[in-house]
Amino acid sequence: SQQGEEDPQALSIQEGENATMNCSYKTSINNLQWYRQNSGRGLVHLILIRSNEREKHSGRLRVTLDTSKKSSSLLITASRAADTASYFCATDATGANSKLTFGKGITLSVRP
Amino acid sequence: KAGVTQTPRYLIKTRGQQVTLSCSPISGHRSVSWYQQTPGQGLQFLFEYFSETQRNKGNFPGRFSGRQFSNSRSEMNVSTLELGDSALYLCASSGGTSTYGYTFGSGTRLTVV
Repeated sequence: SQQGEEDPQALSIQEGENATMNCSYKTSINNLQWYRQNSGRGLVHLILIRSNEREKHSGRLRVTLDTSKKSSSLLITASRAADTASYFCATDATGANSKLTFGKGITLSVRP
Repeated sequence: KAGVTQTPRYLIKTRGQQVTLSCSPISGHRSVSWYQQTPGQGLQFLFEYFSETQRNKGNFPGRFSGRQFSNSRSEMNVSTLELGDSALYLCASSGGTSTYGYTFGSGTRLTVV
């Protein structure tokens, strides 16, 4: 079953613009992770935020976590054509014992 | 440092056959997890092995099985293949917890005809 639900399902922006993607989940978590996938290839780990953290940065990525609302957002600033990919949030639920539950993903298209 | 290696990259099998997929984790990683990705169901957890022991299992039928060897390499086996087993199978390695995220392989694309 999907725990993470991303929003929107698809996003199309111009190069240089910021992209914001949202994720909601249902249960208590140890951490929440964001991954990128290019054209049906493997997943690339982008950033992890722990349940006791509220915001984290990595390069052009900024992720926030609101455990009271069970939601997270991923912001990609100054997007590039190379950011075109599918993005997934994944939760490590409390007691899940190293099992990630993924959302269905967001398709991001960055137009040059 | 080599990444996660999955073999083969592509596979075409006939219904009723069985298949074995292989995953070599990052050197030093003792945990290997397997996921199935389909357009309809998305990414779903199959199972996780740590130090040769299955530590967690998803909701898949018994036709899906796996094992891990002493060098941490893992294999998953699907018996009596069905058309619905066509998917991208991904393995992920970690040091043992999700604390630092997972490193995924490029996947094995299985097509059942």
